[in-house]
Amino acid sequence: QVQVVPSGAEVKKPGASVKVSCKASGDTFTSYYMHWVRQAPGQGLEWMGIINPSGGSTSYAQKFQGRVTMTRDTSTSTVYMELSSLRSEDTAVYYCAGGFYYFDFWGQGTLVTVSS
Amino acid sequence: EIVLTQSPGTLSLSPGERATLSCRASQSVSSSYLAWYQQKPGQPPRLLINGASRRATGIPDRFSGSGSGTDFTLTISRLEPEDFAVYYCQQYGSSPLYSFGQGTKLEIK
Repeated sequence: QVQVVPSGAEVKKPGASVKVSCKASGDTFTSYYMHWVRQAPGQGLEWMGIINPSGGSTSYAQKFQGRVTMTRDTSTSTVYMELSSLRSEDTAVYYCAGGFYYFDFWGQGTLVTVSS
Repeated sequence: EIVLTQSPGTLSLSPGERATLSCRASQSVSSSYLAWYQQKPGQPPRLLINGASRRATGIPDRFSGSGSGTDFTLTISRLEPEDFAVYYCQQYGSSPLYSFGQGTKLEIK
């Protein structure tokens, strides 16, 4: 199976953008659709979107349309998630997860803190 | 939009007891696309059950899933100390494409 290593924690000011990543190793990078799921402190899980690492196609949750961009770099087996116009409510752990109908494996997550 | 509602919010039980967690959908969900996850503090979620009743690789057989349509259940037959955690159900297929229940916290009584 695939192991994923997330990028490091980020601190951003309101209005800024953040780009987080997950680098995959192990099984074939293009074998698994990759998702981004976030979890605010003490809260539940929220699905943000999905990317097909093979062709790069994406689908985003309506809530994040226009503010999120998911990309991949097949040469480094890395998926990226960029979130713009950050606000305090975007403070959360951002997980990448692999699978299609469900999430077979998860990265450890990247904490993004939005604070002035 | 499909909403998944889990109950109870918190379940207090002792090791060795049986736990029954519920996930109710606002519209019918295909059994093929209903999953359960376990999350412990400071860790990412772990897939327990997919297809409503199939245990994921390495999951002990004390975990079982059942249900169809709008009502799904995760049962833990005899609780071990490591089972105390938060559990989430998740569906695929309807707007939003993927969604989670709000979680059930299973705590030691």
